[in-house]
Amino acid sequence: AQSVTQPDIHITVSEGASLELRCNYSYGATPYLFWYVQSPGQGLQLLLKYFSGDTLVQGIKGFEAEFKRSQSSFNLRKPSVHWSDAAEYFCAVVKDFGNEKLTFGTGTRLTIIP
Amino acid sequence: ETGVTQTPRHLVMGMTNKKSLKCEQHLGHNAMYWYKQSAKKPLELMFVYNFKEQTENNSVPSRFSPECPNSSHLFLHLHTLQPEDSALYLCASRAGLAVYNEQFFGPGTRLTVL
Repeated sequence: AQSVTQPDIHITVSEGASLELRCNYSYGATPYLFWYVQSPGQGLQLLLKYFSGDTLVQGIKGFEAEFKRSQSSFNLRKPSVHWSDAAEYFCAVVKDFGNEKLTFGTGTRLTIIP
Repeated sequence: ETGVTQTPRHLVMGMTNKKSLKCEQHLGHNAMYWYKQSAKKPLELMFVYNFKEQTENNSVPSRFSPECPNSSHLFLHLHTLQPEDSALYLCASRAGLAVYNEQFFGPGTRLTVL
């Protein structure tokens, strides 16, 4: 079965610094990949998704992610974080069109320090 | 505001109580979902409804009973819960089941079972 690993439980970054959140998946073929953000007291919001094509995808709020098949990774990046980016970030995969259920990672909590 | 609302936002109940969670979506979507979010665990899909018909029950104990009277409303009826059922329960909706349709999440109901 496919799985998603987010190896970092908690990351602290200074405001204005760059950010990279790691996501690895285990599945033989190319899955459909997603990043979601959950701000305190809120539900999840989709940041970006990758289905096919260009391996660098742009999302909302200045985020981007790069699909690397050789590393089975889909890391999320932002060049300069803002205090409002403090939240929990979830990577998710869908195996294929025959099984559209999302499988989520355990999440990475991002703390921003001044 | 994602267009998906959940009530109540917080609920404390004893193990012998019966309560219900409500989800309403104002997006005209046809598919609705219940997820359970526990600390340090990935989001767990519980139930999926499409055009009011249940299409997925992810081995959820019978003390959780979903109801979908129409495509805009989804309920989760709770009875004889256990303390380990304490979690954030998230509702989501989607235009259709296909993976390219974005899921929109509500803010969740924080459930505490005493």
